[in-house]
Amino acid sequence: DGGITQSPKYLFRKEGQNVTLSCEQNLNHDAMYWYRQDPGQGLRLIYYSQIVNDFQKGDIAEGYSVSREKKESFPLTVTSAQKNPTAFYLCASSRLGNTEAFFGQGTRLTVV
Amino acid sequence: GEDVEQSLFLSVREGDSSVINCTYTDSSSTYLYWYKQEPGAGLQLLTYIFSNMDMKQDQRLTVLLNKKDKHLSLRIADTQTGDSAIYFCAESAFFTGGGNKLTFGTGTQLKVEL
Repeated sequence: DGGITQSPKYLFRKEGQNVTLSCEQNLNHDAMYWYRQDPGQGLRLIYYSQIVNDFQKGDIAEGYSVSREKKESFPLTVTSAQKNPTAFYLCASSRLGNTEAFFGQGTRLTVV
Repeated sequence: GEDVEQSLFLSVREGDSSVINCTYTDSSSTYLYWYKQEPGAGLQLLTYIFSNMDMKQDQRLTVLLNKKDKHLSLRIADTQTGDSAIYFCAESAFFTGGGNKLTFGTGTQLKVEL
């Protein structure tokens, strides 16, 4: 089946540690996105990538980093510089020039 | 800048109609979307409307768009307990390069009571 796979579903991190969230898609989409969701808030864009080896900051990029070495993969690293990392993280992908985005099932990150 | 607003909660009885409202600010949006999120899950695209349309019906779902007031609504007919979820409206545009610039509302938690 075609789709977007995020792993792990739940992730716990100690303060001061970096952690990487995985996002893989087999939809052959050029564009991929990372969003952060907090209770009672809409989704906020962290980073996006429209082509391999290129990515741009979204609205809340501070404390996060990404890479896009392969078309299928867009991992997100939550660094120790992110002051409030506990949240639900959603990855999405789309075709260029098409506003329909497809979402993964999310990763819930908790800092302990 | 873009801003999308929704009320946070809506409670309805099973079998009644639900109406979820949304206001947006970016008049250049090409499409407006409704997404559904069940607990602990990702977003599922429910329906969308092109910005030059006033209404779209898709089975139990009716989307109404008032471009003058920048108001979007989603009506769910014969609401069922399986409709309980968070509903997000989103306006869309394109980044330079063709990527999808989605701006989401805060989400409306729909609770369906027996």
